[in-house]
Amino acid sequence: NAGVTQTPKFQVLKTGQSMTLQCAQDMNHNSMYWYRQDPGMGLRLIYYSASEGTTDKGEVPNGYNVSRLNKREFSLRLESAAPSQTSVYFCATLNGYTFGSGTRLTVV
Amino acid sequence: SQKIEQNSEALNIQEGKTATLTCNYTNYSPAYLQWYRQDPGRGPVFLLLIRENEKEKRKERLKVTFDTTLKQSLFHITASQPADSATYLCALLGRRNTGNQFYFGTGTSLTVIP
Repeated sequence: NAGVTQTPKFQVLKTGQSMTLQCAQDMNHNSMYWYRQDPGMGLRLIYYSASEGTTDKGEVPNGYNVSRLNKREFSLRLESAAPSQTSVYFCATLNGYTFGSGTRLTVV
Repeated sequence: SQKIEQNSEALNIQEGKTATLTCNYTNYSPAYLQWYRQDPGRGPVFLLLIRENEKEKRKERLKVTFDTTLKQSLFHITASQPADSATYLCALLGRRNTGNQFYFGTGTSLTVIP
């Protein structure tokens, strides 16, 4: 989707491995969000950042950390991946007006 | 806790008919509500926003209503086309300690049959 870029698009991890999902936006929006989408559960907020340098927990933050190093970039880190974190992850800006195309993560 | 329900997981209609999707919520007083379209393998795409003091909003063939008494929003697609086939999500704005958060429904899959 235009304006929000997520990398990687696909990833397979082994249980216990770590990785960082990257998100960058070029719309100069202050707020950025990380969601996960699971079948039958809808989109659930993991973390969000209202502005550069601030972050806050959403509904399902356990097992994740985030970094908002500058206005453009908001990364999501899994320190020790678990099978329960198998999901599709979406980054979004400005209260969800623009979503990225997602990262499909499988933890085996 | 907040609960958002969207009608039936799947809806099939004939091309040219009006599709009506429902979003019901409980334990909630949202300031506004948004509707999104999501295609397979893609992120949600914002369609319409309606505020609590608005009864109806239109955009081309799309119409959204918002009834805060019934705690319900209806999303209509008139003169439906096969290209309208997708999953449609509703989301309500809720207030958290340091900002706003959207709560999403699970979506309704719409198929428009030629």
